[in-house]
Amino acid sequence: GAVVSQHPSRVICKSGTSVKIECRSLDFQATTMFWYRQFPKQSLMLMATSNEGSKATYEQGVEKDKFLINHASLTLSTLTVTSAHPEDSSFYICSARRGVSRGNTEAFFGQGTRLTVV
Amino acid sequence: AQSVSQHNHHVILSEAASLELGCNYSYGGTVNLFWYVQYPGQHLQLLLKYFSGDPLVKGIKGFEAEFIKSKFSFNLRKPSVQWSDTAEYFCAVNNYGNNRLAFGKGNQVVVIP
Repeated sequence: GAVVSQHPSRVICKSGTSVKIECRSLDFQATTMFWYRQFPKQSLMLMATSNEGSKATYEQGVEKDKFLINHASLTLSTLTVTSAHPEDSSFYICSARRGVSRGNTEAFFGQGTRLTVV
Repeated sequence: AQSVSQHNHHVILSEAASLELGCNYSYGGTVNLFWYVQYPGQHLQLLLKYFSGDPLVKGIKGFEAEFIKSKFSFNLRKPSVQWSDTAEYFCAVNNYGNNRLAFGKGNQVVVIP
């Protein structure tokens, strides 16, 4: 299967600072990338859908100014948590998909980033 | 809004028992359906997927799922589980041609040796 690499796997930051998380598709071009947040013992909550070269589509209730998403190339998307607060501490997961045709709608997942804001 | 429902969040069973996990979705249009598995300490992996054709889909590790359009369901099954099947299982749905991929709350499955 295709490989999606997420970096860093763990990060600790001070309250008020910003943190950038990278998501790379290593062996395919990802026209679409998804960003999820997973709370302990809960499911993946879709935060936003990112299409290469266009603005991300955010889910209802997700602050786009706080969670900045950039999908500048077909292999890289970044999520920046701005002015992080302790309540932003969570597990963030990205996934990438090749295209929108029915033959290529499988999404591949990164290993996730554990963010702790102190 | 599109939603995905999974019931019985915690499932505990013995080895060799049969497993069935339910998944229902609310979207009325054409959908693509997936089951993902997350083993302890690992990232999500695809178990199986349905795009079109035979509604009974076979995946890896002996898992299968059946798409029943009239019931908006995509239940996962395995006739005989092993201890190594202990994991969290997530059902995911997206609309045909739509980029939004939504997940159910997951089923935590524990298989006792």
